[in-house]
Amino acid sequence: AAGVIQSPRHLIKEKRETATLKCYPIPRHDTVYWYQQGPGQDPQFLISFYEKMQSDKGSIPDRFSAQQFSDYHSELNMSSLELGDSALYFCASSPGVPNTANSPLHFGNGTRLTVT
Amino acid sequence: AQSVTQLGSHVSVSEGALVLLRCNYSSSVPPYLFWYVQYPNQGLQLLLKYTTGATLVKGINGFEAEFKKSETSFHLTKPSAHMSDAAEYFCAVSESGGSNYKLTFGKGTLLTVNP
Repeated sequence: AAGVIQSPRHLIKEKRETATLKCYPIPRHDTVYWYQQGPGQDPQFLISFYEKMQSDKGSIPDRFSAQQFSDYHSELNMSSLELGDSALYFCASSPGVPNTANSPLHFGNGTRLTVT
Repeated sequence: AQSVTQLGSHVSVSEGALVLLRCNYSSSVPPYLFWYVQYPNQGLQLLLKYTTGATLVKGINGFEAEFKKSETSFHLTKPSAHMSDAAEYFCAVSESGGSNYKLTFGKGTLLTVNP
Protein backbone atom coordinates (compact mmCIF):
# COMPACT_ATOMS: atom_id res chain seq x y z
CA ALA A 1 0.00 0.00 0.00
CA ALA A 2 1.14 3.54 -0.70
CA GLY A 3 2.63 5.38 2.24
CA VAL A 4 3.51 8.94 3.11
CA ILE A 5 6.53 10.00 1.10
CA GLN A 6 8.96 12.57 2.43
CA SER A 7 11.88 14.09 0.62
CA PRO A 8 14.71 14.40 0.98
CA ARG A 9 15.54 11.64 3.48
CA HIS A 10 18.61 13.48 4.67
CA LEU A 11 19.58 17.13 4.41
CA ILE A 12 22.67 18.94 5.61
CA LYS A 13 22.62 22.72 5.82
CA GLU A 14 24.75 25.41 7.39
CA LYS A 15 23.58 27.95 9.91
CA ARG A 16 21.50 30.79 8.45
CA GLU A 17 20.71 28.80 5.30
CA THR A 18 17.21 27.83 4.22
CA ALA A 19 15.70 24.39 3.74
CA THR A 20 12.54 23.05 2.13
CA LEU A 21 11.08 19.71 3.17
CA LYS A 22 8.43 18.02 1.08
CA CYS A 23 5.65 15.66 2.03
CA TYR A 24 3.41 13.64 -0.26
CA PRO A 25 0.44 12.21 1.64
CA ILE A 26 -1.24 8.91 1.02
CA PRO A 27 -3.62 9.22 -1.97
CA ARG A 28 -7.03 10.62 -0.96
CA HIS A 29 -5.64 11.87 2.35
CA ASP A 30 -6.36 15.57 2.55
CA THR A 31 -5.02 16.33 6.02
CA VAL A 32 -1.30 16.76 6.63
CA TYR A 33 0.58 17.24 9.88
CA TRP A 34 4.21 18.19 10.52
CA TYR A 35 6.15 17.06 13.58
CA GLN A 36 9.68 17.77 14.77
CA GLN A 37 11.60 15.13 16.72
CA GLY A 38 14.85 16.30 18.29
CA PRO A 39 17.59 13.81 19.19
CA GLY A 40 16.25 11.47 21.85
CA GLN A 41 13.02 13.45 22.10
CA ASP A 42 9.36 12.80 21.48
CA PRO A 43 7.75 14.22 18.35
CA GLN A 44 6.43 17.75 18.75
CA PHE A 45 3.53 19.02 16.68
CA LEU A 46 4.39 21.93 14.41
CA ILE A 47 1.48 22.63 12.09
CA SER A 48 -1.35 20.98 10.19
CA PHE A 49 -3.41 21.55 7.07
CA TYR A 50 -6.82 20.39 5.96
CA GLU A 51 -8.02 20.98 2.42
CA LYS A 52 -5.10 23.34 1.78
CA MET A 53 -5.94 25.56 4.74
CA GLN A 54 -3.96 25.71 7.96
CA SER A 55 -6.03 23.90 10.56
CA ASP A 56 -3.84 24.10 13.66
CA LYS A 57 -0.52 25.47 14.78
CA GLY A 58 1.80 24.17 17.43
CA SER A 59 5.32 25.02 18.47
CA ILE A 60 6.46 26.17 15.06
CA PRO A 61 9.07 28.96 15.05
CA ASP A 62 8.33 32.13 13.11
CA ARG A 63 11.30 31.28 10.89
CA PHE A 64 9.34 28.30 9.59
CA SER A 65 6.37 28.36 7.25
CA ALA A 66 4.39 25.68 5.51
CA GLN A 67 1.66 25.25 2.99
CA GLN A 68 -0.45 22.58 1.37
CA PHE A 69 -0.87 22.61 -2.37
CA SER A 70 -3.78 21.74 -4.67
CA ASP A 71 -2.48 18.17 -5.05
CA TYR A 72 -2.41 17.95 -1.21
CA HIS A 73 1.33 17.69 -0.95
CA SER A 74 2.87 19.95 1.64
CA GLU A 75 6.13 21.81 2.02
CA LEU A 76 7.82 23.00 5.18
CA ASN A 77 10.08 25.98 4.58
CA MET A 78 12.74 26.76 7.14
CA SER A 79 14.83 29.91 7.06
CA SER A 80 17.73 31.28 9.08
CA LEU A 81 18.53 27.78 10.23
CA GLU A 82 19.98 27.32 13.69
CA LEU A 83 21.93 24.44 15.17
CA GLY A 84 18.92 23.61 17.32
CA ASP A 85 16.83 22.95 14.22
CA SER A 86 18.73 19.70 13.69
CA ALA A 87 16.06 17.05 14.05
CA LEU A 88 13.95 14.47 12.34
CA TYR A 89 10.96 16.10 10.68
CA PHE A 90 7.96 13.89 10.20
CA CYS A 91 4.97 14.40 8.02
CA ALA A 92 1.77 12.49 8.70
CA SER A 93 -1.47 12.29 6.77
CA SER A 94 -5.01 11.20 7.43
CA PRO A 95 -8.15 11.01 5.32
CA GLY A 96 -11.28 13.07 5.48
CA VAL A 97 -12.39 15.34 8.24
CA PRO A 98 -9.77 15.80 10.94
CA ASN A 99 -10.23 13.94 14.19
CA THR A 100 -12.41 11.22 12.76
CA ALA A 101 -12.17 8.15 14.98
CA ASN A 102 -11.23 5.83 12.17
CA SER A 103 -8.61 7.98 10.53
CA PRO A 104 -5.42 7.79 12.57
CA LEU A 105 -2.28 9.47 11.39
CA HIS A 106 0.02 7.66 8.99
CA PHE A 107 3.60 8.82 9.31
CA GLY A 108 6.33 9.09 6.73
CA ASN A 109 9.89 7.98 7.44
CA GLY A 110 10.96 11.54 8.08
CA THR A 111 13.61 13.92 6.83
CA ARG A 112 16.73 14.10 8.96
CA LEU A 113 17.97 17.67 8.95
CA THR A 114 21.45 18.40 10.18
CA VAL A 115 22.48 22.01 10.65
CA THR A 116 26.22 22.61 10.95
CA ALA B 1 -4.71 20.76 27.39
CA GLN B 2 -3.52 17.22 27.19
CA SER B 3 -0.36 15.42 28.23
CA VAL B 4 1.12 11.96 28.31
CA THR B 5 3.50 10.43 30.83
CA GLN B 6 5.37 7.27 30.01
CA LEU B 7 6.90 5.68 33.08
CA GLY B 8 10.35 4.37 32.36
CA SER B 9 12.40 5.72 29.49
CA HIS B 10 14.03 2.30 29.08
CA VAL B 11 12.56 -1.14 29.66
CA SER B 12 14.58 -4.31 29.26
CA VAL B 13 13.02 -7.78 29.07
CA SER B 14 14.15 -11.25 28.15
CA GLU B 15 12.90 -12.92 25.00
CA GLY B 16 9.65 -14.69 25.81
CA ALA B 17 8.92 -12.53 28.85
CA LEU B 18 5.93 -10.27 29.37
CA VAL B 19 6.22 -6.76 27.98
CA LEU B 20 4.54 -3.97 29.96
CA LEU B 21 4.97 -0.36 28.88
CA ARG B 22 3.17 2.17 31.03
CA CYS B 23 1.29 5.22 29.85
CA ASN B 24 -0.80 7.71 31.80
CA TYR B 25 -2.59 10.60 30.18
CA SER B 26 -4.24 13.84 31.08
CA SER B 27 -7.05 15.26 28.98
CA SER B 28 -9.86 17.71 29.65
CA VAL B 29 -12.16 15.85 27.27
CA PRO B 30 -12.59 12.15 26.49
CA PRO B 31 -9.38 11.13 24.80
CA TYR B 32 -8.37 9.13 21.82
CA LEU B 33 -5.30 7.09 22.76
CA PHE B 34 -2.61 5.56 20.61
CA TRP B 35 0.55 3.56 20.76
CA TYR B 36 3.13 4.04 18.03
CA VAL B 37 6.37 2.12 17.50
CA GLN B 38 9.49 3.62 15.99
CA TYR B 39 12.33 1.51 14.65
CA PRO B 40 15.73 3.19 14.15
CA ASN B 41 15.71 5.78 11.38
CA GLN B 42 12.11 5.05 10.52
CA GLY B 43 8.77 6.74 10.88
CA LEU B 44 6.15 6.10 13.52
CA GLN B 45 3.99 3.05 12.92
CA LEU B 46 0.59 2.74 14.56
CA LEU B 47 0.36 -0.29 16.87
CA LEU B 48 -3.16 0.23 18.15
CA LYS B 49 -5.69 2.85 19.11
CA TYR B 50 -8.57 3.43 21.46
CA THR B 51 -11.37 5.75 20.42
CA THR B 52 -14.65 4.46 21.81
CA GLY B 53 -16.22 1.15 22.73
CA ALA B 54 -14.30 -1.83 24.05
CA THR B 55 -11.60 -0.72 26.45
CA LEU B 56 -9.27 -3.60 25.62
CA VAL B 57 -7.86 -3.03 22.18
CA LYS B 58 -5.71 -5.39 20.20
CA GLY B 59 -3.08 -4.22 17.78
CA ILE B 60 -0.49 -5.55 15.43
CA ASN B 61 2.37 -7.88 16.37
CA GLY B 62 0.49 -9.33 19.35
CA PHE B 63 0.31 -6.10 21.34
CA GLU B 64 -2.74 -4.98 23.24
CA ALA B 65 -3.64 -2.12 25.55
CA GLU B 66 -6.42 -1.43 27.99
CA PHE B 67 -8.01 1.95 28.52
CA LYS B 68 -8.73 2.50 32.20
CA LYS B 69 -10.54 5.77 32.68
CA SER B 70 -10.45 5.61 36.48
CA GLU B 71 -6.67 5.30 36.38
CA THR B 72 -6.21 7.55 33.33
CA SER B 73 -3.97 4.82 31.95
CA PHE B 74 -3.41 3.06 28.65
CA HIS B 75 -0.66 0.54 29.32
CA LEU B 76 0.72 -1.54 26.45
CA THR B 77 1.33 -5.26 26.92
CA LYS B 78 2.51 -8.28 25.02
CA PRO B 79 2.54 -11.73 26.61
CA SER B 80 5.81 -12.89 25.07
CA ALA B 81 8.56 -10.59 23.83
CA HIS B 82 10.33 -11.25 20.57
CA MET B 83 13.70 -9.92 19.52
CA SER B 84 12.01 -7.98 16.71
CA ASP B 85 10.00 -6.00 19.30
CA ALA B 86 13.11 -4.02 20.24
CA ALA B 87 12.25 -0.43 19.34
CA GLU B 88 11.05 2.83 20.83
CA TYR B 89 7.40 3.02 21.79
CA PHE B 90 5.40 6.21 22.02
CA CYS B 91 2.06 6.66 23.70
CA ALA B 92 -0.01 9.53 22.32
CA VAL B 93 -3.28 11.28 23.07
CA SER B 94 -5.66 13.26 20.91
CA GLU B 95 -8.79 15.09 21.95
CA SER B 96 -12.01 13.53 20.73
CA GLY B 97 -14.58 15.79 19.15
CA GLY B 98 -12.07 18.47 18.31
CA SER B 99 -11.48 20.06 14.97
CA ASN B 100 -8.01 18.71 14.59
CA TYR B 101 -6.30 15.42 15.08
CA LYS B 102 -2.97 16.53 16.36
CA LEU B 103 -1.26 14.12 18.71
CA THR B 104 0.54 14.86 21.93
CA PHE B 105 3.24 12.27 22.47
CA GLY B 106 4.88 10.91 25.57
CA LYS B 107 8.66 10.97 25.86
CA GLY B 108 8.92 7.42 24.61
CA THR B 109 10.09 4.11 26.10
CA LEU B 110 12.99 2.25 24.57
CA LEU B 111 12.35 -1.48 24.73
CA THR B 112 15.35 -3.78 24.73
CA VAL B 113 14.84 -7.52 24.32
CA ASN B 114 17.63 -9.76 25.59
CA PRO B 115 18.20 -13.24 24.16
